[in-house]
Amino acid sequence: RKEVEQDPGPFNVPEGATVAFNCTYSNSASQSFFWYRQDCRKEPKLLMSVYSSGNEDGRFTAQLNRASQYISLLIRDSKLSDSATYLCAPGGSGGGADGLTFGKGTHLIIQP
Amino acid sequence: DVKVTQSSRYLVKRTGEKVFLECVQDMDHENMFWYRQDPGLGLRLIYFSYDVKMKEKGDIPEGYSVSREKKERFSLILESASTNQTSMYLCASKPTGGGEKLFFGSGTQLSVL
Repeated sequence: RKEVEQDPGPFNVPEGATVAFNCTYSNSASQSFFWYRQDCRKEPKLLMSVYSSGNEDGRFTAQLNRASQYISLLIRDSKLSDSATYLCAPGGSGGGADGLTFGKGTHLIIQP
Repeated sequence: DVKVTQSSRYLVKRTGEKVFLECVQDMDHENMFWYRQDPGLGLRLIYFSYDVKMKEKGDIPEGYSVSREKKERFSLILESASTNQTSMYLCASKPTGGGEKLFFGSGTQLSVL
């Protein structure tokens, strides 16, 4: 089983719609989870961190399902500026020095 | 504000050249990382360092080496560049004990001809 899996998309979504996508992970010991947003030819930027069951920040909600080992990202009232690639990264088991393992990302296109 | 700076945004080199990619962070972070990102393959960890003069192999270290002589600087070295090392290279850092979120530099797009 791959460590981190994401549907690459693209997800084509009309402006104003709600969109959700999942990320499955294999390391059951992961304690923290991250969603990064990456615009074309730019570096990833942290969107949300999840340390318990979920997190909400404005139009964005991340939910964690430990039993099924997936984390989801939901975007409400989508804007054109939400078009980007969303990378999922489960953390390790103890906040160690090693780097994050990223999924390959889900490409989201918001259409006018 | 957190700052990770990569010395070059675009770089073009020839096969066989020795290439240095430099990364500097001003946040006094202990841990630094080099990733490469390729279409369809995502971000892959090349090397990381958790302290000055310390280095650890990531998932794809072959063909690369690193140097961490000062806390703020982490260099990625391609001893003899090859065309399959054409990629976007991203440097990142994080503090010890500050969680696991990474702060990325803006990336270096390296083309090896």
